[in-house]
Amino acid sequence: GAVVSQHPSRVICKSGTSVKIECRSLDFQATTMFWYRQFPKKSLMLMATSNEGSKATYEQGVEKDKFLINHASLTLSTLTVTSAHPEDSSFYICSARDGDRGWKLFFGSGTQLSVL
Amino acid sequence: EDKVVQSPLSLVVHEGDTVTLNCSYEVTNFRSLLWYKQEKKAPTFLFMLTSSGIEKKSGRLSSILDKKELFSILNITATQTGDSAIYLCASFTGGGADGLTFGKGTHLIIQP
Repeated sequence: GAVVSQHPSRVICKSGTSVKIECRSLDFQATTMFWYRQFPKKSLMLMATSNEGSKATYEQGVEKDKFLINHASLTLSTLTVTSAHPEDSSFYICSARDGDRGWKLFFGSGTQLSVL
Repeated sequence: EDKVVQSPLSLVVHEGDTVTLNCSYEVTNFRSLLWYKQEKKAPTFLFMLTSSGIEKKSGRLSSILDKKELFSILNITATQTGDSAIYLCASFTGGGADGLTFGKGTHLIIQP
């Protein structure tokens, strides 16, 4: 149980286009989802906390107009990278918290974004 | 389907004890195995293991990978209450679509 599906797994796009990444909790309701960016040496940087039905909370230094987060339902959060540039190329991962299981997080498999 | 299984799911020990956390994996296009410590929102990277049999150490933590038997262990010696956390392992795969498959984690509780 407790599966999180992230889609797409890989996307290549031209500079200036927008890319949407979906994160779905398949068998539980996730009131809170988190979006991360993975850097070299595999550290995960928290970008934002996505709360169902309210505005996302962004970490310091993350541009909210650049990385649009929508959490319209208890099972779906989306991250849209707007007007993507090559420096946005990275591995993006989402996780979802199953509120019934405390602080346990379940992770998506990640999206490799390459901006040309 | 790629799979990463961690055991135990939960572990309670006393301060000063040594613990061993287990992670087995069945994945295609395996590239490396990663260990993270999760306390709240963002997991903290601990180790990345690519080669079999080479132990990586950081203070009281160490980890090793066995690519023949498809598992890894994370050891913590002389545990402290600050080691209490959820420890996650993840396999990193390549082959055209990079992906991370996480295990469900081991919840470690260190009692004073």
